[in-house]
Amino acid sequence: AQKITQTQPGMFVQEKEAVTLDCTYDTSDQSYGLFWYKQPSSGEMIFLIYQGSYDEQNATEGRYSLNFQKARKSANLVISASQLGDSAMYFCAMREPSGGYNKLIFGAGTRLAVHP
Amino acid sequence: DVKVTQSSRYLVKRTGEKVFLECVQDMDHENMFWYRQDPGLGLRLIYFSYDVKMKEKGDIPEGYSVSREKKERFSLILESASTNQTSMYLCASSLLGEQFFGPGTRLTVL
Repeated sequence: AQKITQTQPGMFVQEKEAVTLDCTYDTSDQSYGLFWYKQPSSGEMIFLIYQGSYDEQNATEGRYSLNFQKARKSANLVISASQLGDSAMYFCAMREPSGGYNKLIFGAGTRLAVHP
Repeated sequence: DVKVTQSSRYLVKRTGEKVFLECVQDMDHENMFWYRQDPGLGLRLIYFSYDVKMKEKGDIPEGYSVSREKKERFSLILESASTNQTSMYLCASSLLGEQFFGPGTRLTVL
C-alpha cells in the first residue's frame, strides 16, 4: 500500500538558516506525484511545491526546493534562509498513482519552529 | 485565484445531533474531497467526489456521509455526531494538479 512517512514530529531552526524536512514514500508505481503543503496556525493548507516522478530536475519555488532521490524514495523539502513566518506544520503528500481522481495520501506532518 | 470556502470555522455540537459541513469552490473543479485532521495522524480522507452525484469512500468513511447535488458544493454529514468525531475538517478541490483547500472547520462534539 502507498504510504508517506515524515519521521520528524518537530524541528527548529534559527532565522536565516536553511532547514530540511524529511519525507519518504512507498509505492510500487512508476508514475506518481509528490507535494508539500504548509499549514500555519490559522489552519489553511498552502501548496508549496510539486515533483513529478519523471521530472529529472529537482523542483524549486523561491526559497523552497525539493530534494528528490527516487532510488531512496525520498522527497525532502529544503527551506533556505528561514523566516519567522515559516513557522508552521508542513505536510508531504503523494498523489495516489492508481485509481485516478487526483487523490492524495498525506504524512503525519512536521512542526517547524523558526527562532529569531 | 481558486477559492474554497467552508460554512463555519468553529462549530460546537452535542452527541447525537445531525451535523452538516458545507464546502463551496468557485473554479469549476471536478474533484472535491473531505478530510479530517488529527494530531500525529496527518490528513485522512473521509470521502471524495469526482462529479455531481458521484461519491467514493475514502479511508475513514464510517459515521459520515456526503452529498454533491451541484458541481461547486460538497457537503459532509455526520448523521449522529459522537465525541470521537471532534476534529478539524478540511475540504479541498482539484482538477489535475494540486488540491486547493478551504480554511477548515474545527468541530467539537460534547
